[in-house]
Amino acid sequence: ELKVEQNPLFLSMQEGKNYTIYCNYSTTSDRLYWYRQDPGKSLESLFVLLSNGAVKQEGRLMASLDTKARLSTLHITAAVHDLSATYFCAVTTGTASKLTFGTGTRLQVTL
Amino acid sequence: DSGVTQTPKHLITATGQRVTLRCSPRSGDLSVYWYQQSLDQGLQFLIQYYNGEERAKGNILERFSAQQFPDLHSELNLSSLELGDSALYFCASSARGLPSTDTQYFGPGTRLTVL
Repeated sequence: ELKVEQNPLFLSMQEGKNYTIYCNYSTTSDRLYWYRQDPGKSLESLFVLLSNGAVKQEGRLMASLDTKARLSTLHITAAVHDLSATYFCAVTTGTASKLTFGTGTRLQVTL
Repeated sequence: DSGVTQTPKHLITATGQRVTLRCSPRSGDLSVYWYQQSLDQGLQFLIQYYNGEERAKGNILERFSAQQFPDLHSELNLSSLELGDSALYFCASSARGLPSTDTQYFGPGTRLTVL
């Protein structure tokens, strides 16, 4: 059974600091997704990583994928308050389209 | 706004009752997915439809059923409701339901409270 783990579960960081969220998964996959969720809201697609070594950047967020290590990272550069949200990674395996989600990382950026 | 719509936004009902959640996918998307988000289980895949046909099933209870209609909207039916069914139910859609090319876009969700 595919398991997806994220750490940390909660991250409190100061504005201007850098940090990384980690996403590990248990079986072979080369498709990994990052989503953002604001409290009580829907999930917003951030990144789709489709191959080993893939790196994508949007603003202060950069995501990467290492399929050999079964690891994806979401790096936050110079955090700002607007980035406060819960971030989920999700994986699909084989020919299945269903997303298996990690536990989520709640990010709180303080002034 | 993802373009996926869900109704109702909130639903409060009693144990033992039956409810129907509705989802309209983004224009042009053929595949619809249902997910449940709860505090204890996290985000879980329930079921996927593609162009009216069931394509994949996840941890969906026998008390739950879904269908996708010819106009591609989908309904999730929850019956004999229990307190533990209280959760946020999301619908997502994608163009073709193919994992190698598709991104799933999520609707705003329906918050179900069972009293």
